[in-house]
Amino acid sequence: SQTIHQWPATLVQPVGSPLSLECTVEGTSNPNLYWYRQAAGRGLQLLFYSVGIGQISSEVPQNLSASRPQDRQFILSSKKLLLSDSGFYLCAWSTDRDYGYTFGSGTRLTVV
Amino acid sequence: GESVGLHLPTLSVQEGDNSIINCAYSNSASDYFIWYKQESGKGPQFIIDIRSNMDKRQGQRVTVLLNKTVKHLSLQIAATQPGDSAVYFCAENMWGGYSTLTFGKGTMLLVSP
Repeated sequence: SQTIHQWPATLVQPVGSPLSLECTVEGTSNPNLYWYRQAAGRGLQLLFYSVGIGQISSEVPQNLSASRPQDRQFILSSKKLLLSDSGFYLCAWSTDRDYGYTFGSGTRLTVV
Repeated sequence: GESVGLHLPTLSVQEGDNSIINCAYSNSASDYFIWYKQESGKGPQFIIDIRSNMDKRQGQRVTVLLNKTVKHLSLQIAATQPGDSAVYFCAENMWGGYSTLTFGKGTMLLVSP
């Protein structure tokens, strides 16, 4: 069966520090991968998605970047965090034959 | 962007009642809709989906209704339980090239014993 892993679960980082969040999927090949951000009490905002290795589409220009170095690995990064980067970050995957997404357990990022 | 919205941000019900959560979508080209449940501090979990060639679909204690004429989606939860307390999101997608799910803003369902 397919599983998705996200880590860390929580993270507290100072303003100006770098960020690296990792997401991996098991049990499937060539998944579509997504990064979402959710502000407290709000909906889900799509940040990046990827349909293959090295292919990244950015939905919202901001202080973040994404990379997909391997088929089932998706990384969200920042060189210098801002206070406004705080939020709940969710990774998700899907297949071309499946319109729905499966989400990871999320990372709670607090920038202080 | 977000083209899917919800009428009620918070819904409070008593245990055992039936709950109805509503959602309006704006893209008439959308042909696939999903309801997700998100408990506090967790990722959204799939509840039920429906394709545009259907008006109704039932799962275990949940029913999704789709009215394409008015672009409205609803989730009905029968015999609501305290464990149903969560935020519920509707999402839409469409076929034709690559597309991504668009999520609504969410409705908080509070179930009191």
